[in-house]
Amino acid sequence: DSGVTQTPKHLITATGQRVTLRCSPRSGDLSVYWYQQSLDQGLQFLIQYYNGEERAKGNILERFSAQQFPDLHSELNLSSLELGDSALYFCASSPLTRSGNEQYFGPGTRLTVT
Amino acid sequence: AQTVTQSQPEMSVQEAETVTLSCTYDTSENNYYLFWYKQPPSRQMILVIRQEAYKQQNATENRFSVNFQKAAKSFSLKISDSQLGDTAMYFCALVDSNYQLIWGAGTKLIIKP
Repeated sequence: DSGVTQTPKHLITATGQRVTLRCSPRSGDLSVYWYQQSLDQGLQFLIQYYNGEERAKGNILERFSAQQFPDLHSELNLSSLELGDSALYFCASSPLTRSGNEQYFGPGTRLTVT
Repeated sequence: AQTVTQSQPEMSVQEAETVTLSCTYDTSENNYYLFWYKQPPSRQMILVIRQEAYKQQNATENRFSVNFQKAAKSFSLKISDSQLGDTAMYFCALVDSNYQLIWGAGTKLIIKP
């Protein structure tokens, strides 16, 4: 158990809909990352937040947005969903210190768009 | 640009054998961190081992060890006494100066009984 929680575990929705994925980081970690992993693919970095502020953006679509709240949990919002958005979405957290930046991953949310 | 290359898309070995997964990287940083992550069929991403570039000693975690060759920019993972539970995708990753992880494409490792 990494200490990172994600809800829901599975989500099935239709094209055009909007969903929200939730992540709670490990206790004490200020940084949260979101990744997308399609079937048999590597990880695609979407976005990073640090202590409530956006810190880095990767290949995140304009239809996607995220935020990190004062209690450090984060939400990833996916709108106008398309079939190609079906994937496993991971949240990871890290302390983001000079001593290293290993990221600890949650179990993921499996999104299926039909 | 910083890159991470895993040249072995798939490997398979017999249970109890030793296997080495290759990873090469490119970075202009002098101090950085490297990681191996494991993703079993459950698809959970699990940190296996980390190496700090300024440390010459190779990191070891039980049956997992690395061969870190800084000059050659090589970071291979050795799994000793392989077990069926080691069957997974293995990803090599490098932390860049902005604390972002640069990921390799992964190596699918199959342990055969």
